[in-house]
Amino acid sequence: GAGVSQSPRYKVAKRGQDVALRCDPISGHVSLFWYQQALGQGPEFLTYFQNEAQLDKSGLPSDRFFAERPEGSVSTLKIQRTQQEDSAVYLCASSLDRRLSSYNEQFFGPGTRLTVL
Amino acid sequence: KNEVEQSPQNLTAQEGEFITINCSYSVGISALHWLQQHPGGGIVSLFMLSSGKKKHGRLIATINIQEKHSSLHITASHPRDSAVYICAAPLETSGSRLTFGEGTQLTVNP
Repeated sequence: GAGVSQSPRYKVAKRGQDVALRCDPISGHVSLFWYQQALGQGPEFLTYFQNEAQLDKSGLPSDRFFAERPEGSVSTLKIQRTQQEDSAVYLCASSLDRRLSSYNEQFFGPGTRLTVL
Repeated sequence: KNEVEQSPQNLTAQEGEFITINCSYSVGISALHWLQQHPGGGIVSLFMLSSGKKKHGRLIATINIQEKHSSLHITASHPRDSAVYICAAPLETSGSRLTFGEGTQLTVNP
């Protein structure tokens, strides 16, 4: 079956431009995570959804970052007024969460590489 | 100090060598991922394990939950193994979100 998909794969934005990054999780997966990976570093947590509810957004670096998952499937990460420090790979992951009492494996998308000029 | 640490940061090997990458963590976890990332950014999950050892082809992953340590081994390394290898785990203090190591850049020369 289809895995996690993300679009676009590459995005170049001029500083100050707004961008929207899309994540299509595996069908039926309850949980969805966004991570940000700066060049040469490991990914870092941005935000987490369980169905349509955003349960944790503590990793969002500023109020320019906004994420939504209105119908509990596709998610969009929006960055307003992009800055050069926003340049990174943005990774999406989803998990089934059949057993809420234990960790459920996360499956990763290919990422969106954002470059802000 | 990062809660998940990897070593070495960079590793260069000759084709055929046995390779070990280490990952240690400072708080309790229930499972740990080993991930592979090629240039271009896409992440492939190699293993998820919560105890003991798993093997897939030339790759072996081990974990000792009590000692807070995991290793990834590559036997008979090949240039196509060149990639960044990252360990990641859901810390018991952070719910389901993953905390990642900094990654190990592996280069295998022919």
